[in-house]
Amino acid sequence: EVQLLESGGALVQPGGSLRLSCAASGFTFTNYAMAWVRQAPGKGLEWVSIISGSGGSTLYADSVKGRFTISRDNSKNTMHLQMNSLRADDTAIYYCAKADLTGTLGDWGQGTLVTVSS
Amino acid sequence: DIVMTQTPLSLPVTPGEPASISCRSSQSLLDSDDGNTYLDWYLQKPGQSPQLLIYALSYRASRVPDRFSGSGSATNFTLKLSRVEAEDVGVYYCMQRIDFPYTFGGGTKVEIK
Repeated sequence: EVQLLESGGALVQPGGSLRLSCAASGFTFTNYAMAWVRQAPGKGLEWVSIISGSGGSTLYADSVKGRFTISRDNSKNTMHLQMNSLRADDTAIYYCAKADLTGTLGDWGQGTLVTVSS
Repeated sequence: DIVMTQTPLSLPVTPGEPASISCRSSQSLLDSDDGNTYLDWYLQKPGQSPQLLIYALSYRASRVPDRFSGSGSATNFTLKLSRVEAEDVGVYYCMQRIDFPYTFGGGTKVEIK
C-alpha cells in the first residue's frame, strides 16, 4: 500500500524559511516522479513543483520559482520542499503526491499546514 | 499557462439521480503524437486529501466505481455520475497535465439536496 506522510508544516513569519518533508513507502520510490500541490484555506488546488525519479529534473510554478527548492533523497525514500522568503500568500496545506509516468497524481499524502503570519 | 474553467461552481444533487460536471481548457489537451488527452479528474471529500478518479480523459482509477465516467474532446470535458450516492459529496477538480505548470479547474462542490 502506498503511503505518503508529510511533515514540517508550522507557523512562520513573513520572510522566513521552512523545510517540508514527504516520507514515502509501499512502492519503488526511485521509479516515480513526486510533486507538491498546495491548497490555500478555503481555496482550490495549485500545483507547486515536481521532481523526476532520479532527482535530475525539477519544475516549479511561477509563484514559487526562485524561492522554493524541491529535492529528494532516494536512499531514504524522502522528498523535501525548501521554502524561503515566505509570504502570506504561501499559507496553505501542502500535499505531496506520487506521479505516474505521464504525470497523473495517483496517490496523495494527508497534507501539512504552513501558515505565514506575523 | 493553460486555464481550466469548471462549471457549475456548486451542484446540488439528489441521491440516485445522475449528475455531470463540465471543464474547459484554454488550449488543446490532446497530444497528437500519442493520441492521449491529458485531463484528469480528482475528488476531494470533506476533510480529506484529493483522490484520483479519472485519468487521461476517460480511464477510471483503481477502485473507482463504474458510476463515474469521463468523456470529452480536446478542450471540453465532462465528468458524469450515473447515480449519485451520498458518499460522492465533495469538491471535484479537473487538471491538465499536457504542459507545465499543471493547472487545476476552480472546483465544483457537489452536495446533497
